[in-house]
Amino acid sequence: AQSVAQPEDQVNVAEGNPLTVKCTYSVSGNPYLFWYVQYPNRGLQFLLKYITGDNLVKGSYGFEAEFNKSQTSFHLKKPSALVSDSALYFCAVRADNYGQNFVFGPGTRLSVLP
Amino acid sequence: DAGVIQSTRHEVTEMGQEVTLRCKPISGHDYLFWYRQTMMRGLELLIYFNNNVPIDDSGMPEDRFSAKMPNASFSTLKIQPSEPRDSAVYFCASSRDRVTEAFFGQGTRLTVV
Repeated sequence: AQSVAQPEDQVNVAEGNPLTVKCTYSVSGNPYLFWYVQYPNRGLQFLLKYITGDNLVKGSYGFEAEFNKSQTSFHLKKPSALVSDSALYFCAVRADNYGQNFVFGPGTRLSVLP
Repeated sequence: DAGVIQSTRHEVTEMGQEVTLRCKPISGHDYLFWYRQTMMRGLELLIYFNNNVPIDDSGMPEDRFSAKMPNASFSTLKIQPSEPRDSAVYFCASSRDRVTEAFFGQGTRLTVV
């Protein structure tokens, strides 16, 4: 079975500073990894994904994430945080085995302080 | 494309009543997912379909919950009878295939009183 861990419930960062939101996963088979963002009273919006290839993937709004197979991690990063980045962030995993689910982590609330 | 459509944003029902949530996936997407989001449990996968066939319903909490996908453009999630603890935001999502990202609807906030 697949699982995703986001070890931090909350991440606080000052505007202009780099941010990291952590994610580790467990899956049988090849992982397909995703980051989503959720603003209040909204659905989840797709940010970026890792399917194959370069371990560093770039996505929307200046976000990027690094896939590390040995550490089974897929941390989300941004070089310079904005106050508008404050939201709930979810990591998710799919596997290439038929019948596997699209599983989300518990979410990390990011607060960017002005 | 209009995206995933969950036409009802808020649903209020009385305990014991039947409630049906509806979803229209993105055209051409082969996978459809139903999720429930609460403060206590986060985002839970309830069930997902591939080409209209239910593949995994292990997340459905009780027999009171059922889901159908009669065709590629429509799915329902039914709760009968509803209970106050079913109050949550229910999301529908669809993806083109089994490795790509899913797109989410706006969600239906269900309140059972």
